[in-house]
Amino acid sequence: KQEVTQIPAALSVPEGENLVLNCSFTDSAIYNLQWFRQDPGKGLTSLLLIQSSQREQTSGRLNASLDKSSGRSTLYIAASQPGDSATYLCAVRPLTGANSKLTFGKGITLSVRP
Amino acid sequence: NAGVTQTPKFQVLKTGQSMTLQCAQDMNHEYMSWYRQDPGMGLRLIHYSVGAGITDQGEVPNGYNVSRSTTEDFPLRLLSAAPSQTSVYFCASSYSFTGGTEAFFGQGTRLTVV
Repeated sequence: KQEVTQIPAALSVPEGENLVLNCSFTDSAIYNLQWFRQDPGKGLTSLLLIQSSQREQTSGRLNASLDKSSGRSTLYIAASQPGDSATYLCAVRPLTGANSKLTFGKGITLSVRP
Repeated sequence: NAGVTQTPKFQVLKTGQSMTLQCAQDMNHEYMSWYRQDPGMGLRLIHYSVGAGITDQGEVPNGYNVSRSTTEDFPLRLLSAAPSQTSVYFCASSYSFTGGTEAFFGQGTRLTVV
């Protein structure tokens, strides 16, 4: 059974710092991995999707990497801002197909201090 | 571009009442799912559907029913509400034959059962 772990559960950093959020998974047979952002009281917003054949994806100040063999993904946030404060979740889709269930980590709650 | 639309946003029910949470998507996605999110538990899959007319149980299906008569809609029915069903409910959709496998979420329904 696939398990997705995100440690630590919470992180507080000063504004301007570059930071890395980690996601690990136990079964490397994945179709893709997706990073989400969730603001308090809101739904999940998709940030980046990495296919199993890709090593990384970039969007603005965000860069996500994937190392399937080691079961790890990282979300790099450059020059963090208070507006980046939110919970960040990763989710993996199994290799059984595009039409299959996501497994989520419990998320990392990020606080960026002004 | 509406994406995934959930109604209502908030609901208070009395124990034993029934209700339907609505979910609609306009992206022609085949795959739709319902999650509940509780503090410390992360996202847990309730029911999912891989296409119109096809549904299956997720991790925590008891007390909930679903049906999928159209590609666009995937309602979640609470048969007889219990305080343990107090939670935030999210609907998600992903996968189209012409698009990718990126998952999109609705804004959630916050349900309180008293």
